[in-house]
Amino acid sequence: GENVEQHPSTLSVQEGDSAVIKCTYSDSASNYFPWYKQELGKGPQLIIDIRSNVGEKKDQRIAVTLNKTAKHFSLHITETQPEDSAVYFCAASINYQLIWGAGTKLIIKP
Amino acid sequence: DAGVIQSPRHEVTEMGQEVTLRCKPISGHNSLFWYRQTMMRGLELLIYFNNNVPIDDSGMPEDRFSAKMPNASFSTLKIQPSEPRDSAVYFCASTADRARQPQHFGDGTRLSIL
Repeated sequence: GENVEQHPSTLSVQEGDSAVIKCTYSDSASNYFPWYKQELGKGPQLIIDIRSNVGEKKDQRIAVTLNKTAKHFSLHITETQPEDSAVYFCAASINYQLIWGAGTKLIIKP
Repeated sequence: DAGVIQSPRHEVTEMGQEVTLRCKPISGHNSLFWYRQTMMRGLELLIYFNNNVPIDDSGMPEDRFSAKMPNASFSTLKIQPSEPRDSAVYFCASTADRARQPQHFGDGTRLSIL
């Protein structure tokens, strides 16, 4: 079955710098790749997603890239701000089933 | 717009007791998911409903767990009898189209079994 690996598990960056989180997946049939942000005491919230027919998608300071050949996708956050501190999860999907990465704790240092 | 609503937000009970978690999906969504989140195992899918019908319950840990969806606007997850290892945060999520639209999560129920 599908397996998703996410790195790093913890990422600490200076406020204003960029942050990059990477995920790899194993099943080439996966066709939908969402990224979620989870703050303390809250449920995961979708921040951006990409489908397998697209290589890159951007929404203000957030972008996601997908390399289908290498089976990896990445989340890029530019000009990081204190409110970006949270745990970020990637996922890969075939049909309804989301296979989740283990999460990255992003720490923004003032 | 109202998001996915879960209740209660916190539940503390003694082992052996019955626990019922509740979820109201987003209006118009026809797919509903129950997840469990722990530090050790991350996010695990427990059960998936489509149009109120359970489609995949392979993630339900054992017979002590059961889930129902009597109508499009309400679902329950029940644990009977509860055990300390059931302590976790339980999330409900819904989507308008299981294969093409993102899942929207509630804020979860933090369950502690003493």
